Amino acid sequence: EDKVVQSPLSLVVHEGDTVTLNCSYEVTNFRSLLWYKQEKKAPTFLFMLTSSGIEKKSGRLSSILDKKELSSILNITATQTGDSAIYLCAAPSGANSKLTFGKGITLSVRP
Amino acid sequence: NAGVTQTPKFQVLKTGQSMTLQCAQDMNHNSMYWYRQDPGMGLRLIYYSASEGTTDKGEVPNGYNVSRLNKREFSLRLESAAPSQTSVYFCASRTGGPDEQFFGPGTRLTVL
Repeated sequence: EDKVVQSPLSLVVHEGDTVTLNCSYEVTNFRSLLWYKQEKKAPTFLFMLTSSGIEKKSGRLSSILDKKELSSILNITATQTGDSAIYLCAAPSGANSKLTFGKGITLSVRP
Repeated sequence: NAGVTQTPKFQVLKTGQSMTLQCAQDMNHNSMYWYRQDPGMGLRLIYYSASEGTTDKGEVPNGYNVSRLNKREFSLRLESAAPSQTSVYFCASRTGGPDEQFFGPGTRLTVL
């Protein structure tokens, strides 16, 4: 059974801090890892990682995959209150890309 | 281009009642999925449809049925609602290539 584990489950920081969110996985025939941000409603896509060691970057957010350690991290620099959200990581399996999600990390950024 | 839409946004049911959650996508995607999200549990796959005319069970299918009406629409039916089905339900879709799924805004369902 595929498994995705995220840590920590919740985090409170102050504006301007840098945070690192962790995701580890055990997936048969691993091919990619996805990060989503969820505010009040639908999860919105952030990154898809397929190659180990190659950083994906979007503004203050970046993510990297370590296939040797079966893990990924999501970094957010200079956090803002708008970064407050649940961050989900997920791994697809099978030809139909069924996603196995971690429980999510609730990030609260205080002014 | 509305993406993935879901109706209703909110619903309250009594135990034993039935209802259908509707989902539609206008991105010409082949695959569609239904997830439920409970506090502290992440999202769990209920059913999915790889293409029009096919459906398969996910991780937590008990108590649910689905219909892939056409390429655009994928509905989720609760025949006899139970309090354990109180949750937020998300529909998602995906084109046939990359693994990325696009999510609808969700339906918050409460079963009393």
